[in-house]
Amino acid sequence: DSGVTQTPKHLITATGQRVTLRCSPRSGDLSVYWYQQSLDQGLQFLIQYYNGEERAKGNILERFSAQQFPDLHSELNLSSLELGDSALYFCASSLRTGTDTQYFGPGTRLTVL
Amino acid sequence: GQSLEQPSEVTAVEGAIVQINCTYQTSGFYGLSWYQQHDGGAPTFLSYNALDGLEETGRFSSFLSRSDSYGYLLLQELQMKDSASYFCAVRDVSGSARQLTFGSGTQLTVLP
Repeated sequence: DSGVTQTPKHLITATGQRVTLRCSPRSGDLSVYWYQQSLDQGLQFLIQYYNGEERAKGNILERFSAQQFPDLHSELNLSSLELGDSALYFCASSLRTGTDTQYFGPGTRLTVL
Repeated sequence: GQSLEQPSEVTAVEGAIVQINCTYQTSGFYGLSWYQQHDGGAPTFLSYNALDGLEETGRFSSFLSRSDSYGYLLLQELQMKDSASYFCAVRDVSGSARQLTFGSGTQLTVLP
């Protein structure tokens, strides 16, 4: 158990819908990272927040957005969902920014029908 | 940008030694990390090499050669539970210096 929690564990929705994925980092960690992992694919970095501020952006679609709240939990919002958005979404956290040691949550499996 | 190459699959028998290679191309380099992911599970950090040489942690070792842009993960005394995907990763320093780029992963299958 990494100490990072993610909810929900599974999410099934329809195309065109909007969903919110939630992540709570390890106690004391200030950085939160979001990754997408499609079937048989590697981990694609989406976005990073550090202490409430956006720090880095990867290949995140305009339909996706995220934020980190004052209590350091983070939410990833996915809208106008398409079939291709079906994937595992992982949140990771670290104490500092710019570190190679990240602690991953169990992930949210999103299925878009 | 950066790119990493690693074999897609490796198979070995229980008790054997296996080496998973990773070559990388980056515009800047801090170090090479390795993560393990069991099927459908969360990736877990295994090791990090910033300097040339071998780092040993129990049955797992990781090696880096900065001049060759090459590293490997060595797993000894393989156990069935080592069957998993292994990802190498480098940190992007060309932009925000805060983003990890992962390879496509190597699926290790350990046979009895």
